[in-house]
Amino acid sequence: AQSVTQLDSQVPVFEEAPVELRCNYSSSVSVYLFWYVQYPNQGLQLLLKYLSGSTLVKGINGFEAEFNKSQTSFHLRKPSVHISDTAEYFCAVSGPSGGYQKVTFGTGTKLQVIP
Amino acid sequence: GAVVSQHPSRVICKSGTSVKIECRSLDFQATTMFWYRQFPKQSLMLMATSNEGSKATYEQGVEKDKFLINHASLTLSTLTVTSAHPEDSSFYICSARPPTGQIYEQYFGPGTRLTVT
Repeated sequence: AQSVTQLDSQVPVFEEAPVELRCNYSSSVSVYLFWYVQYPNQGLQLLLKYLSGSTLVKGINGFEAEFNKSQTSFHLRKPSVHISDTAEYFCAVSGPSGGYQKVTFGTGTKLQVIP
Repeated sequence: GAVVSQHPSRVICKSGTSVKIECRSLDFQATTMFWYRQFPKQSLMLMATSNEGSKATYEQGVEKDKFLINHASLTLSTLTVTSAHPEDSSFYICSARPPTGQIYEQYFGPGTRLTVT
């Protein structure tokens, strides 16, 4: 079975500064990787996904993530954050053991953008 | 598009009573719906997968007699927590996948906060 680890539960960052949210996964087989964002009182929304191909994946709202197989990581980055990026971010993985249908989530990272 | 709603958003019930949570896909038909549970500072844990018109598939460790799932139509799934106890207090989230969606594709509802007193 696959799993993901988000080591940072909270990340404060000043507005217009860059940010990186870390995610590591564990799996010995090919997996799909995702980042979701959850704004207050809203459902999770898909930011970006990696299925195959190019290891640099671009998503919505200026976010991007890089798949690194050797380090089993899928860190999320944004070069300049805005107040509106304040939210909780979840890394997730799906793999063949669940037919790629079952998505396993990390514990989430709360991004707090400071004015 | 692809909006999923949940009702109620918050519910408080007394220990021993049952409570029903609805999950609706508003602008698409969902052949598959998922129910998750989220504890504070923990990840979403998949409870069960339901396909329209058939019995739900529960994850290991989830009591199917306690968490009754009904997916009676292509736009509605319900989760009933029977004989609720304080340890059932949690944040319950549903998601839905359209029939033409990719296998990993899910659209999430905003969640329901259940508090059992």
